[in-house]
Amino acid sequence: NAGVTQTPKFQVLKTGQSMTLQCAQDMNHEYMSWYRQDPGMGLRLIHYSVGAGITDQGEVPNGYNVSRSTTEDFPLRLLSAAPSQTSVYFCASSSRTSGGVYYEQFFGPGTRLTVL
Amino acid sequence: GQQVMQIPQYQHVQEGEDFTTYCNSSTTLSNIQWYKQRPGGHPVFLIQLVKSGEVKKQKRLTFQFGEAKKNSSLHITATQTTDVGTYFCAGSYSSASKIIFGSGTRLSIRP
Repeated sequence: NAGVTQTPKFQVLKTGQSMTLQCAQDMNHEYMSWYRQDPGMGLRLIHYSVGAGITDQGEVPNGYNVSRSTTEDFPLRLLSAAPSQTSVYFCASSSRTSGGVYYEQFFGPGTRLTVL
Repeated sequence: GQQVMQIPQYQHVQEGEDFTTYCNSSTTLSNIQWYKQRPGGHPVFLIQLVKSGEVKKQKRLTFQFGEAKKNSSLHITATQTTDVGTYFCAGSYSSASKIIFGSGTRLSIRP
């Protein structure tokens, strides 16, 4: 198993450009999520998905779109990049019990994004 | 709104001293998880607590979940240099809901 993979590892964008951060997992996990981590700060939830075709907003969704057409993939789109979106982005996935309690989240290695 | 508060933000200890970080929520949590992130790395799962008043131990680490399921703590006994990193709690408020992280406690150690 590759676990959770993220591409690219590094990216530099100019203000106003768009791009998609890719995330894939091969563990058949229902739950997938995107977090951003700014220097010296915690992880803030951007968007999450509890299954294919289902997505919802997290704590800081503005400026980001997601879709979940398959169980494996959960791409994050920046429509018009802004310097405030300079951050490290982590994707994570998790399975859950029949009672709905999540097991551990597995994190990808992160994408370091700089917006000039 | 749903928010998990974590204190302290930083802790600098002498090697061998104990360390504790605390998480608090204003509303009842369904469960709480703890993660460790080394500098430059990604968060790695340590443990999950589900039951009211639950206590779990992993070697020198002790994790507690409050009776009201609104707070949790991680205690490290006799810290070692390998404990350096940032410790995060992460909570869910109901089954199949989003997982919210606390702001983390960064632990540094004087050898």
